[in-house]
Amino acid sequence: AQSVTQLGSHVSVSEGALVLLRCNYSSSVPPYLFWYVQYPNQGLQLLLKYTSAATLVKGINGFEAEFKKSETSFHLTKPSAHMSDAAEYFCAVSDRTGTASKLTFGTGTRLQVTL
Amino acid sequence: DAGITQSPRHKVTETGTPVTLRCHQTENHRYMYWYRQDPGHGLRLIHYSYGVKDTDKGEVSDGYSVSRSKTEDFLLTLESATSSQTSVYFCAIRGSADNQPQHFGDGTRLSIL
Repeated sequence: AQSVTQLGSHVSVSEGALVLLRCNYSSSVPPYLFWYVQYPNQGLQLLLKYTSAATLVKGINGFEAEFKKSETSFHLTKPSAHMSDAAEYFCAVSDRTGTASKLTFGTGTRLQVTL
Repeated sequence: DAGITQSPRHKVTETGTPVTLRCHQTENHRYMYWYRQDPGHGLRLIHYSYGVKDTDKGEVSDGYSVSRSKTEDFLLTLESATSSQTSVYFCAIRGSADNQPQHFGDGTRLSIL
């Protein structure tokens, strides 16, 4: 069974500062990994995905993530935070088994961006 | 945006009543999923479907049933709602390749009093 750990349920950064949201996973097979963002009262929007191609993945809104197999990590970064980045972020791993490749989500990290 | 519509968007009902939530897609995707979102738990899978009339249980399926009689519609039913089922429910869809991401609807906020 796979699992996802997101370290830090709340992260606060200043506008213009580096954003780093941590995600560690466990999986019995080479994983597919995803980051989603959720704005208030909305569904989840895909930020980026890792599906065993390049280990450094670029997504929307200037975000990127690096797959590190040795560390079982898939941390999300953005060089310079913007006020509009304030949202909740979820990391997810796909089990890649069975008929539906089910996702397991982390518990989320709420990002606050301050002036 | 992926063509996913959830209805209703908000519902308040009483304990013991039946409730049905609908997920409708216009993408002709094979896979559909129902999740619930609760503070401190992230999203947890309730049930999923891999085709018409093909469904299976997820992590938190007790108290829920689903049906899929057409490709485009996936229904989630609470046969007798309980207060512990107060939550925000999300539907997601995915295409056939297993490296494709799931795309989510806007959710249904369900309150059971």
